[in-house]
Amino acid sequence: EAGVAQSPRYKIIEKRQSVAFWCNPISGHATLYWYQQILGQGPKLLIQFQNNGVVDDSQLPKDRFSAERLKGVDSTLKIQPAKLEDSAVYLCASTPPGLAGGEQFFGPGTRLTVL
Amino acid sequence: AQKITQTQPGMFVQEKEAVTLDCTYDTSDPSYGLFWYKQPSSGEMIFLIYQGSYDQQNATEGRYSLNFQKARKSANLVISASQLGDSAMYFCAILNSNSGYALNFGKGTSLLVTP
Repeated sequence: EAGVAQSPRYKIIEKRQSVAFWCNPISGHATLYWYQQILGQGPKLLIQFQNNGVVDDSQLPKDRFSAERLKGVDSTLKIQPAKLEDSAVYLCASTPPGLAGGEQFFGPGTRLTVL
Repeated sequence: AQKITQTQPGMFVQEKEAVTLDCTYDTSDPSYGLFWYKQPSSGEMIFLIYQGSYDQQNATEGRYSLNFQKARKSANLVISASQLGDSAMYFCAILNSNSGYALNFGKGTSLLVTP
């Protein structure tokens, strides 16, 4: 079974530019999470989707971050405009349906550097 | 709100020795779940072990075991017979039942296994 796919793996941009990350969860996984991991810290939830609906986006900086999962499969996270403090690894994770509270399967992450 | 505390920024252990990584948590939920993940330098998060709050026995998975002391609110990870490949960051996490079962992570412990 294929794992969670993310692209790109690395991205370098200048502040005030825009950037988008893509995530394709494991086939059949209904719940998708985006986490932000700043260097030296643990991952922090940005947004959680259940199919194509948002479950929790309370920690998403909505003035600059947006995310969508239009068909309930893959998802895109966008930052516009980027700030220096957005430099981090962005991790996507998914869980199977009916397994709320179970193991989350993580992708390899996208490492963003904002100059 | 659920919170995880990992007080050891870094640990050293000699190959083939056992090591304990500390984790304490705070939650007001009567039922909760605790996870440990490993993050090698490549960046992916690898699930190691899970402990449910009502599980009567401590969880074990191969060389990993969880020393769960509910009254003390601690969930320490024990790695037996350490291997060089165990060198990585280790994160303790608790399920956040207030946000659709996303994970709240600690800051992590860096483990270095020496020959």
